[in-house]
Amino acid sequence: EVQLVESGGGLVQPGGSLRLSCAASGFTFSSYWMHWVRQAPGKGLVWVSRINSDGSSTSYADSVKGRFTISRDNAKNTLYLQMNSLRAEDTAVYYCARSSSGRYGWSDYWGQGTLVTVSS
Amino acid sequence: AIRMTQSPSSLSASTGDRVTITCRASQGISSYLAWYQQKPGKAPKLLIYAASTLQSGVPSRFSGSGSGTDFTLTISCLQSEDFATYYCQQYYSYVYTFGQGTKLEIK
Repeated sequence: EVQLVESGGGLVQPGGSLRLSCAASGFTFSSYWMHWVRQAPGKGLVWVSRINSDGSSTSYADSVKGRFTISRDNAKNTLYLQMNSLRAEDTAVYYCARSSSGRYGWSDYWGQGTLVTVSS
Repeated sequence: AIRMTQSPSSLSASTGDRVTITCRASQGISSYLAWYQQKPGKAPKLLIYAASTLQSGVPSRFSGSGSGTDFTLTISCLQSEDFATYYCQQYYSYVYTFGQGTKLEIK
């Protein structure tokens, strides 16, 4: 059974940093592209970032470019999102999602999400 | 970035109704479009990919169509469990944008 479990969320002050993790199981993690998607309270889904299967290629939404870094450790079956210079508008539930088939892949499995709150 | 615009933003309907949600891309995306359903407090669930292919396990009352810039999600006979928010997403570009969502409510 495919499972994605996010962790690392919490309360952080504006300007602070946080690293989210997404532990994957039930599939060959190293073969799949992965995404981070977020959802502010009461708002819609916003794509944040994606990484290819070996970690050599990444892309970001303009709103997080230069502040967030996506990475992965295929030996540990874990996806990461390093978030720096956090702002109040980064407050959201962050989901990791598996891309079904690489570059042109839809998100077929999602984690349950982890809440990040940026507030003083 | 490619902008995805859904309409309507909200929709009231009754059990048994047929409803259609539209998603328009700001530029052509071929058939690289997915539809997701989300219920409150839950992760999104994949319904349709490649604009019209039903994900395994999704009821056949859900269907999708379109290509290029205009797409639709149709639910042929609403069931109580279908009242949720629906999102389209393009995966044509490296910035995988979502529509703003359509909230389907009980009339």
